[in-house]
Amino acid sequence: TQLLEQSPQFLSIQEGENLTVYCNSSSVFSSLQWYRQEPGEGPVLLVTVVTGGEVKKLKRLTFQFGDARKDSSLHITAAQPGDTGLYLCAGEVYKLSFGAGTTVTVRA
Amino acid sequence: SQTIHQWPATLVQPVGSPLSLECTVEGTSNPNLYWYRQAAGRGLQLLFYSVGIGQISSEVPQNLSASRPQDRQFILSSKKLLLSDSGFYLCACGAGVYNEQFFGPGTRLTVL
Repeated sequence: TQLLEQSPQFLSIQEGENLTVYCNSSSVFSSLQWYRQEPGEGPVLLVTVVTGGEVKKLKRLTFQFGDARKDSSLHITAAQPGDTGLYLCAGEVYKLSFGAGTTVTVRA
Repeated sequence: SQTIHQWPATLVQPVGSPLSLECTVEGTSNPNLYWYRQAAGRGLQLLFYSVGIGQISSEVPQNLSASRPQDRQFILSSKKLLLSDSGFYLCACGAGVYNEQFFGPGTRLTVL
């Protein structure tokens, strides 16, 4: 059983469209991290959110941490082919755990 | 900032053969180091972590072992590989208050 559930598992959209991926848990996290991984490479940290209700923006990416610190979302505006990759969330209770990821494909 | 090196990048090994994957870290001292395995396109399974030389914690029982002979060197080993050991192996260094993970480029292991 995954501590962190990510949805959807796969997402394929056209360039210019918006998308949202979700990361949910029944556990409360002190912080939650988002990573992006391209095929054949290691994941790269995008952002860490630490305060309930926090919103962080990274160019066209918007990250939100739920008020209860049990869930998070990642919204991409006007997606580009360069946004293609596996998006992973990770949260720490007594150890850092990763979700199974959402594979995002942005078609040109 | 830290840099994580892993080698080899790819490896094809027969069942029953030994394994040694190496990870070295630059740009930091006394790092917390991690080995993860990733199935194709999916999440990460933590295998081992180490908070210092000679200190290894195992997260799951398996056919693998880890060692940390030097502060910035972390090695993943097996005496006899199984088909189920195939996967993408990632070494990571934890940093900061929130234990943010910085990953190496990974090793793709195929056991035939």
